[in-house]
Amino acid sequence: GQNIDQPTEMTATEGAIVQINCTYQTSGFNGLFWYQQHAGEAPTFLSYNVLDGLEEKGRFSSFLSRSKGYSYLLLKELQMKDSASYLCAVLDSNYQLIWGAGTKLIIKP
Amino acid sequence: IAGITQAPTSQILAAGRRMTLRCTQDMRHNAMYWYRQDLGLGLRLIHYSNTAGTTGKGEVPDGYSVSRANTDDFPLTLASAVPSQTSVYFCASSDGGTSSYNEQFFGPGTRLTVL
Repeated sequence: GQNIDQPTEMTATEGAIVQINCTYQTSGFNGLFWYQQHAGEAPTFLSYNVLDGLEEKGRFSSFLSRSKGYSYLLLKELQMKDSASYLCAVLDSNYQLIWGAGTKLIIKP
Repeated sequence: IAGITQAPTSQILAAGRRMTLRCTQDMRHNAMYWYRQDLGLGLRLIHYSNTAGTTGKGEVPDGYSVSRANTDDFPLTLASAVPSQTSVYFCASSDGGTSSYNEQFFGPGTRLTVL
């Protein structure tokens, strides 16, 4: 079966750095997405990786290792507004997105 | 304003009733999707459409039907609602159903409660 694993919840301090991991086992791979979802709102796109390596976009970076079935999202200089759930999703061989359950990130002052 | 709209925002429904959730996008995207999101579970695909006139079943299609008469609209119908269909429903769209870069844009969601 297809499976995407990420931690259920993480806590970090304002101004710090946090890394959210995602491991996947899917039928084929056509890219990995990270989305942010604030409570009661829709998911919004953060990043996309299809090749191995690090993609940087401002305070957020995403890393992919296809051989290990592994990705992480790195958030720097955490702000209170970063409190949200972070969803990892893999585009499988049928070009359908398979979603992880999400990691709830709690930022403390 | 470009984007995806969903209606209603929320609904309480008696079991056994028929309900249609509406979704409209104005981005001229080819592909559209319906997901349900339940606490502790990831987004689960109900049905999708890669282009107007075609639809396909996702991971959890039972009890739901869709149609795609035109590019903009993708309604989801619950023929006879059951309490297990209580969930938050998100509609999404993307530019290409079989494109590697398949960023999906989401509507605001419909919170449905079936009693």
